[in-house]
Amino acid sequence: KAGVTQTPRYLIKTRGQQVTLSCSPISGHRSVSWYQQTPGQGLQFLFEYFSETQRNKGNFPGRFSGRQFSNSRSEMNVSTLELGDSALYLCASSPPTSGGNTGELFFGEGSRLTVL
Amino acid sequence: AQTVTQSQPEMSVQEAETVTLSCTYDTSENNYYLFWYKQPPSRQMILVIRQEAYKQQNATENRFSVNFQKAAKSFSLKISDSQLGDTAMYFCAFMKWGWDTNAGKSTFGDGTTLTVKP
Repeated sequence: KAGVTQTPRYLIKTRGQQVTLSCSPISGHRSVSWYQQTPGQGLQFLFEYFSETQRNKGNFPGRFSGRQFSNSRSEMNVSTLELGDSALYLCASSPPTSGGNTGELFFGEGSRLTVL
Repeated sequence: AQTVTQSQPEMSVQEAETVTLSCTYDTSENNYYLFWYKQPPSRQMILVIRQEAYKQQNATENRFSVNFQKAAKSFSLKISDSQLGDTAMYFCAFMKWGWDTNAGKSTFGDGTTLTVKP
């Protein structure tokens, strides 16, 4: 089974630009979540999608948005980039159970964003 | 809101020895999962071990085992017979179980960087 795939792996943007990151979950996984990882703030939860619905959102400004498609693939978008948005953005998918999910996260390799 | 605390930013251990990483958490939930994830340098984060809160028995996975103390809200990871490949950052994480809007969100600790020395 293919793992979680994130594209692009690396990108450089300038302040004020916008960026879209893509995540393809493991086949059969309906839950996709996004995390921002920085040396200073650690791993911060951005949002989680389940069957195309945003089920949970972290404490990030409205510049951060996401969506999930019917095939469970997900995208996240950051508009009006700031220097502080430089980070590793991790996508993770989770297999379903009767309780909604198993909790276990399968991570992609991440998209490393540098904002200049 | 849940919080996860890892009080040891860095640790080191000699190859073949045993090391224990600490984690405490705070929650008012009764049904949840706890995890340890491993992130090797410049590599993908992977699950090490998982514990369901309703299970009293501590989870084990080969050389990895946990000491889960629900009342004390403590969840430590023991690595036996440490290997060079265990060098990584280890994250303790909490996730609420269920279908509601608070499920599906993992809260992570700040991580413990473990170095295994030859």
